[in-house]
Amino acid sequence: SQTIHQWPATLVQPVGSPLSLECTVEGTSNPNLYWYRQAAGRGLQLLFYSVGIGQISSEVPQNLSASRPQDRQFILSSKKLLLSDSGFYLCAWSAAGFYNEQFFGPGTRLTVL
Amino acid sequence: KQEVTQIPAALSVPEGENLVLNCSFTDSAIYNLQWFRQDPGKGLTSLLLIQSSQREQTSGRLNASLDKSSGRSTLYIAASQPGDSATYLCAVLHGSGNTGKLIFGQGTTLQVKP
Repeated sequence: SQTIHQWPATLVQPVGSPLSLECTVEGTSNPNLYWYRQAAGRGLQLLFYSVGIGQISSEVPQNLSASRPQDRQFILSSKKLLLSDSGFYLCAWSAAGFYNEQFFGPGTRLTVL
Repeated sequence: KQEVTQIPAALSVPEGENLVLNCSFTDSAIYNLQWFRQDPGKGLTSLLLIQSSQREQTSGRLNASLDKSSGRSTLYIAASQPGDSATYLCAVLHGSGNTGKLIFGQGTTLQVKP
């Protein structure tokens, strides 16, 4: 069966510090991978998606970037965090293709102070 | 622009009641619709997926329907239990580049009282 992992689970960072959140998927190959952010009062918003190694599409211009160095690894980064980057970050995967069900990881709670 | 609305925002019911959560979307050109459950501080658990060509899906005490032409979906929960207390999110899948983009509603927070 497939599982999706995210770490860390919780992170408190000062404004201006760098960020690296990691997501890995087990039990599948060539998945589509997604990063979402859930901010208070704003619902869930798609940030990035990837259909393959090195292929990243950005949905929302922002202070963040994503990378996919391996087939089942997806990384969310920032060089300098802003207060507005605080939120709950969720990674998701789906089977390759267009119409497939998306499955979410446990999330990372990021607080920027 | 696709917008997804969920009504009500919050719901409190006594244990054992049957209940309906509503989801509406503005653009009927969707590929599928997913219902999720989210417990406080946790990730999303996929409950049901309805493809655009389907009318309903069932899983245990859950039944989801889809009326694409009217832009509506409902999640029916039978014989509710305290363990059903959570936030329920619906999301519609739109085409975005070479994959699908989920557009989420704001959710309905359900409390089932023992």
